[in-house]
Amino acid sequence: DAGVIQSPRHEVTEMGQEVTLRCKPISGHNSLFWYRQTMMRGLELLIYFNNNVPIDDSGMPEDRFSAKMPNASFSTLKIQPSEPRDSAVYFCASSGGLAAIWETQYFGPGTRLLVL
Amino acid sequence: SQQGEEDPQALSIQEGENATMNCSYKTSINNLQWYRQNSGRGLVHLILIRSNEREKHSGRLRVTLDTSKKSSSLLITASRAADTASYFCATVYISSGSARQLTFGSGTQLTVLP
Repeated sequence: DAGVIQSPRHEVTEMGQEVTLRCKPISGHNSLFWYRQTMMRGLELLIYFNNNVPIDDSGMPEDRFSAKMPNASFSTLKIQPSEPRDSAVYFCASSGGLAAIWETQYFGPGTRLLVL
Repeated sequence: SQQGEEDPQALSIQEGENATMNCSYKTSINNLQWYRQNSGRGLVHLILIRSNEREKHSGRLRVTLDTSKKSSSLLITASRAADTASYFCATVYISSGSARQLTFGSGTQLTVLP
């Protein structure tokens, strides 16, 4: 199993540019989570999907952030326009089965975003 | 504010020694999980303990849960240099109605010296 796949692994962009982060969950998992990790705020849950439907997006910091899951094998997190304070490592995680959604989560390697 | 807080923030021990990390939380939980994060990598799930359990073991890991004190501890026995990583506790609790939330603590950075 390839695990959770994220791309790109590193992204450097200028303030005001659009950034799109991508995630492929583990095949068969029906829950997907987007997290942001910074030194100041730690690991924050931004949004999670169950069966491709956004369930809770209360962690999304601003309207500049949006996330989609068009199918069971792909999700995107978009920031438009990006700002320097968005610089962080963004993780995608997936879990399988309704009962397991709040148990074991499998994390991707993360995307390290730097907004100049 | 974060549901789980780890203590200590950093811990440095010699290889072969035991490492103990603590996690405190604020509200009633469904379960508590421990994750490890190696530098520059994603988090890896280590162990889960449910609110009705008091102790669980997995290899060199031992987790305890004291719901009356709202605290948990992770013990790593006979530590190895490869155990060097950040360790996070994550709590799952009911936020409103039947909705659940998972919140990570700030982590303990463990360094095991060879």
